[in-house]
Amino acid sequence: NAGVTQTPKFRVLKTGQSMTLLCAQDMNHEYMYWYRQDPGMGLRLIHYSVGEGTTAKGEVPDGYNVSRLKKQNFLLGLESAAPSQTSVYFCASRPSGGINYEQYFGPGTRLTVT
Amino acid sequence: DQQVKQNSPSLSVQEGRISILNCDYTNSMFDYFLWYKKYPAEGPTFLISISSIKDKNEDGRFTVFLNKSAKHLSLHIVPSQPGDSAVYFCAASAWGKLIFGQGTTLQVKP
Repeated sequence: NAGVTQTPKFRVLKTGQSMTLLCAQDMNHEYMYWYRQDPGMGLRLIHYSVGEGTTAKGEVPDGYNVSRLKKQNFLLGLESAAPSQTSVYFCASRPSGGINYEQYFGPGTRLTVT
Repeated sequence: DQQVKQNSPSLSVQEGRISILNCDYTNSMFDYFLWYKKYPAEGPTFLISISSIKDKNEDGRFTVFLNKSAKHLSLHIVPSQPGDSAVYFCAASAWGKLIFGQGTTLQVKP
C-alpha cells in the first residue's frame, strides 16, 4: 500500500513553461485535493475533487488547472508558469465516509520557477 | 481574512517538559479540528482531532483542548521528546474542506 504518491519530487521551470504534477492514491478514496505551501502561509487549497470526473476551485485556483479522469489520479497543471508559483505542492486524499475529515498527504513536489 | 491562525511561529521546550501549541479560529461553523505534524521534506501526517461538540480528546502523550466560547484550541504534548521536533499545523473542517493555520515550529531540546 503506497498511500499517496506524487510525481515528480522536484522540478525547475522557466517562466512561461508548462508542466503537470501527478498525484496517485491506492486507497480508493473519493476526495482528492491539491495544496500549496509557502513560508508563513500554511497550506492553501488550490483545487479539489469530490469524485471521478469532478473538480472544484479552492482558495487559490488562479494559474492552475486540474483533471480527475480516473478515481485514483488527480493531475495539477500549470499552463504558463510564473515565479509566484514557486512553492511546495502537496496532494491529499480522503474517503467519503471518514468521521473526522482526516486527509492523507503525499510527500510533496518542490517547484521552482525562474 | 485568515479563518485559522497560529500566532506563534516557533516554540522551544526542554525534553520531558510540556509543549503547548495554540490555534485560534473565527468561523463557528467549523465541525472538526485536526492537528497535523510535518517533518522537513515530508508530507503532513495526521496527529489527533476533536469534534466541535467535545472539549477534550486524548491520545497517548497528545491531548487537544477545545474552547468554543473563545474559539481557541490547543495541543498539549506531555512529555515532549526530541522526535517531536517538527512543524505543527492546526486545521478546521468546513463543508468537507480543511482550512489550515500557518504552522508552529516546535523544537524539543535534549
